[in-house]
Amino acid sequence: DIQMTQSPSSLSASVGDRVTITCRASQSSSRSLNWYQQKPGKAPKLLIFAASRLLTGVPSRFSGSGSGTDFTLTISSLQPEDFATYYCQQTYSSPLTFGGGTKVEIK
Amino acid sequence: EVQLVESGGGSVQPGGSLRLSCAASGFTFSSYWMHWVRQAPGKGLVWVSRISSDGSSTTYADSVKGRVTISRDNAKNTLYLQMNSLRAEDTAVYYCAKESTSFVTGTFHFDSWGQGTLVTVSS
Repeated sequence: DIQMTQSPSSLSASVGDRVTITCRASQSSSRSLNWYQQKPGKAPKLLIFAASRLLTGVPSRFSGSGSGTDFTLTISSLQPEDFATYYCQQTYSSPLTFGGGTKVEIK
Repeated sequence: EVQLVESGGGSVQPGGSLRLSCAASGFTFSSYWMHWVRQAPGKGLVWVSRISSDGSSTTYADSVKGRVTISRDNAKNTLYLQMNSLRAEDTAVYYCAKESTSFVTGTFHFDSWGQGTLVTVSS
């Protein structure tokens, strides 16, 4: 199984800050890496697929990069609606696995 | 608009059974692979199972293999998860999710999720 490790597990940031979340795979996931945003009590929402492809309708302040084992989600200027938990997911091999999540909180 | 609506959750004793349903609308259900993902209270997302568009291929996480069966009825646009021999550790919100493939990248992702249904296993 491919283990996905996200860091940090939580962070505090202010509106306007640049935020970077990393996701490391225990073995290569090529570019089969997706990022989701989840708010309390809600279902996850897809932000980025294939490591760097922004889903249509997702604000351009979100971006993704990486390949192989190391991936990054960046929010260029944090907005109030971005306070949430973010998960990476590899779909390179079964079982599909998620990272443990990164909770982005208001400083 | 794509809609996925889960139902069937509830409270059950250890060893009991439940069948979850996910009613799909707004897309051609029979053309898409579907998944179940669960989330224990206060915890992260865990993939549970997937089924091919025609129902001929299924895959399960080791944690549920042998106790859970995924199925679908394309005529009714509905996905199912039959859960048997339930354990306390199966307590979670269960989401159904629609798989979408990017033909440009050759990868897939979950582009739509239901609102979830809560399963509580407790004596």
